[in-house]
Amino acid sequence: AQSVTQLDSQVPVFEEAPVELRCNYSSSVSVYLFWYVQYPNQGLQLLLKYLSGSTLVESINGFEAEFNKSQTSFHLRKPSVHISDTAEYFCAVSDPSNTGKLIFGQGTTLQVKP
Amino acid sequence: KAGVTQTPRYLIKTRGQQVTLSCSPISGHRSVSWYQQTPGQGLQFLFEYFSETQRNKGNFPGRFSGRQFSNSRSEMNVSTLELGDSALYLCASSPMTSGADTQYFGPGTRLTVL
Repeated sequence: AQSVTQLDSQVPVFEEAPVELRCNYSSSVSVYLFWYVQYPNQGLQLLLKYLSGSTLVESINGFEAEFNKSQTSFHLRKPSVHISDTAEYFCAVSDPSNTGKLIFGQGTTLQVKP
Repeated sequence: KAGVTQTPRYLIKTRGQQVTLSCSPISGHRSVSWYQQTPGQGLQFLFEYFSETQRNKGNFPGRFSGRQFSNSRSEMNVSTLELGDSALYLCASSPMTSGADTQYFGPGTRLTVL
């Protein structure tokens, strides 16, 4: 069985500062890894995903995440955050052989302060 | 393409009643997954339907059921509602030709059980 741990429930940060949201997973098989973002009163939107190949994946809005197999981690980073990045971020895994099922972490609320 | 739509957006029910939620996937998507989101338990997978067949099921009691129609629209039903069923119910659609496919989420139905 897979599980996901997001180590921080809340991360406060000032605007234009860098941020890292941490995610560790546990699985006995290879997995696909995802980061989703949820703005208030909305559904989840995909930020980025790791399937295979290059361990560094990037999103169009400046976020990046690095897959580290030895540490079973998939931390999300952004070098300079904006007020508009304030949201809840979810790390998720899926088993390639068990389609349609995402296992989510508990979420991290990113609070960007002016 | 239009996104995933869920109806209704808000529902208030009383204990013991039953409820049906609806999800219309993105055109061409054959997979629909359902998730329950609560402050205490986070995001939990309920079930997934693909081509009118339940392909995956999470750890929820039999009071939670679903179905998918030939046009890929899906409904989930909760019978004998309990206070703990109050949650945001999210559906997600995907082509799901493989586990690498992105799941696209709807805005959710917020169910309140009194």
